[in-house]
Amino acid sequence: SFVLTQPPSVSVAPGQTARITCGGTNLGSRSVHWYQQKPGQAPVLVVCDDGDRPSGIPERFSGSNSGNTATLTISRVEAGDEADYYCQVWNIISDHVDFGGGTKLTVL
Amino acid sequence: QVQLVESGGGVVQPGRSLRLSCAASGFMFSTYAMHWVRQAPGKGLEWVALLSYDGSNEYYAGSVKGRFTISRDNSKNTLYLQMNSLRAEDTALYYCARVRNVAATIGYAMDVWGQGTTVTVPS
Repeated sequence: SFVLTQPPSVSVAPGQTARITCGGTNLGSRSVHWYQQKPGQAPVLVVCDDGDRPSGIPERFSGSNSGNTATLTISRVEAGDEADYYCQVWNIISDHVDFGGGTKLTVL
Repeated sequence: QVQLVESGGGVVQPGRSLRLSCAASGFMFSTYAMHWVRQAPGKGLEWVALLSYDGSNEYYAGSVKGRFTISRDNSKNTLYLQMNSLRAEDTALYYCARVRNVAATIGYAMDVWGQGTTVTVPS
């Protein structure tokens, strides 16, 4: 399967910028989607197609994808952003979905 | 409002079967492809299966292929997951999720998720 590598954890102070990476071979050639999951809740799509924001998602959430790394950037981090974040792609070789292992964002 | 509600989970012995349902409302279900995604306790998200909007194309994770079957009844706005030969490692919270783009299938994000239904297979 296509391996997506995420750091297990990222910590950031309120008001600062959090960057969560997702690594994979030639990832820049694929569309990457990002999900936020708070404890006890279902995942929520926060960025799709590398950098598009679904309706209702704050502009503080943005994404980029180039080379072997996609990045979810959260500006002006708030306490309410504390959650697990997952990247996801469609694996065109094996025709299935791959998720990254998830990154726990802690707001200090 | 747009909503997905899963049901059918429970405790089932290894080797037995279970069928999950996902009832959709608030959107034209018959025009959207649908996924099943699961999450084992304390673990990350694991994709299970995808079905095209018209039921003509199915995709499965290797871990469930040959044991699970995804299907849909567009007249009832309902997605199903038939799970056979269940194993302890199938224990998880099972979510259904909608593909974001109308009539699209592969490659697109999942923009609406249900709250999940729990399946427990004792070891």
